[in-house]
Amino acid sequence: ETGVTQSPTHLIKTRGQQVTLRCSSQSGHNTVSWYQQALGQGPQFIFQYYREEENGRGNFPPRFSGLQFPNYSSELNVNALELDDSALYLCASRESTGTCEKLFFGSGTQLSVL
Amino acid sequence: GQSLEQPSEVTAVEGAIVQINCTYQTSGFYGLSWYQQHDGGAPTFLSYNALDGLEETGRFSSFLSRSDSYGYLLLQELQMKDSASYFCAVPSGAGSYQLTFGKGTKLSVIP
Repeated sequence: ETGVTQSPTHLIKTRGQQVTLRCSSQSGHNTVSWYQQALGQGPQFIFQYYREEENGRGNFPPRFSGLQFPNYSSELNVNALELDDSALYLCASRESTGTCEKLFFGSGTQLSVL
Repeated sequence: GQSLEQPSEVTAVEGAIVQINCTYQTSGFYGLSWYQQHDGGAPTFLSYNALDGLEETGRFSSFLSRSDSYGYLLLQELQMKDSASYFCAVPSGAGSYQLTFGKGTKLSVIP
């Protein structure tokens, strides 16, 4: 039990649609990052938020955006969905005094784009 | 850029010992982490090595050789519940928030 919860667990969308995925992390974990995990691959860093500001981004286009809220919750938004966006989306948090070597992951949202 | 190589699949017998290797190429080195992920589950932190040598945590140990850009995860007294995917990962910089993961090694434990 990591204390990181994500919703929904599964989602089906069609190409061109928009989607919002949600994450709630532990109290005191003021850093949240999002990862995309394609089938049979390792997680790939999308971006990170610290104190409600994006402070790092991986190799993902601007149609991937996010928000972080003061209550340790966050959102990942994806616009203009493409078939290749089908993947498991993972939210991860870490303690305010921690470093990235120990992240606490949620179980993810499985997104299918048809 | 950074890249990590690990075997795609490993099969081992219950009660045995298995070693999962990871070699990495990084522009700078800031530690090697290991995560376990069961099918449909969340990746779970197992261990972290910043310095050369062996770190032991119960049945799991992790080893690092910085001069060889190599590490491994050692699982002893294998149990059926150890069947999962195992990922090595490195941070992109000192105190960095961004992890680069390997493609994962799927471990199957058989009776």
